Amino acid sequence: GDSVTQMEGPVTLSEEAFLTINCTYTATGYPSLFWYVQYPGEGLQLLLKATKADDKGSNKGFEATYRKETTSFHLEKGSVQVSDSAVYFCALRISQGGSEKLVFGKGTKLTVNP
Amino acid sequence: KAGVTQTPRYLIKTRGQQVTLSCSPISGHRSVSWYQQTPGQGLQFLFEYFSETQRNKGNFPGRFSGRQFSNSRSEMNVSTLELGDSALYLCASRAGSTNNEQFFGPGTRLTVL
Repeated sequence: GDSVTQMEGPVTLSEEAFLTINCTYTATGYPSLFWYVQYPGEGLQLLLKATKADDKGSNKGFEATYRKETTSFHLEKGSVQVSDSAVYFCALRISQGGSEKLVFGKGTKLTVNP
Repeated sequence: KAGVTQTPRYLIKTRGQQVTLSCSPISGHRSVSWYQQTPGQGLQFLFEYFSETQRNKGNFPGRFSGRQFSNSRSEMNVSTLELGDSALYLCASRAGSTNNEQFFGPGTRLTVL
């Protein structure tokens, strides 16, 4: 079935370091792909998305490119801040007969130290 | 516009009891989905409701059920609670048309003792 695999971490970086969180997926067809972020004590917030191959999603300095050939959607940021500390989830969307559901990776906890 | 709200935020129950969680979607959103988040299994889809009808269901036992009211508010119920039901239960709403973004609430933290 459809699934998402992402590096589980935890990942600890110093402020201004480069971030990569790997995400690969298995799916029938070409699903839309997402990165969500969860701050402590909160629900999920959509960080960025891509709906077709070669699309690049970007937001708040984060970027991810939909790579069909490698079935990947890696999250990157050139210079992380302490405020980026959170748990990041890669997800794909399955649409069927009007219904939609998200399939998530296990999440990667990021801690950024000053 | 107010976001997705969930009540209660925290809940403690004992094994064998039942629990009802509530979710109020963003105004105008007709679809509500529920997800369970645990450290071991991560985020898993429970079910989706649209216009008071369940449209999709995840791989959970029949102890997990839900419903949606005419104002799009949704409730989920878990009967005969087990320790493994301890989790953060997240509700998400979307407008209902294809490819609309899902907006998540803050979740209800359920602890089963």
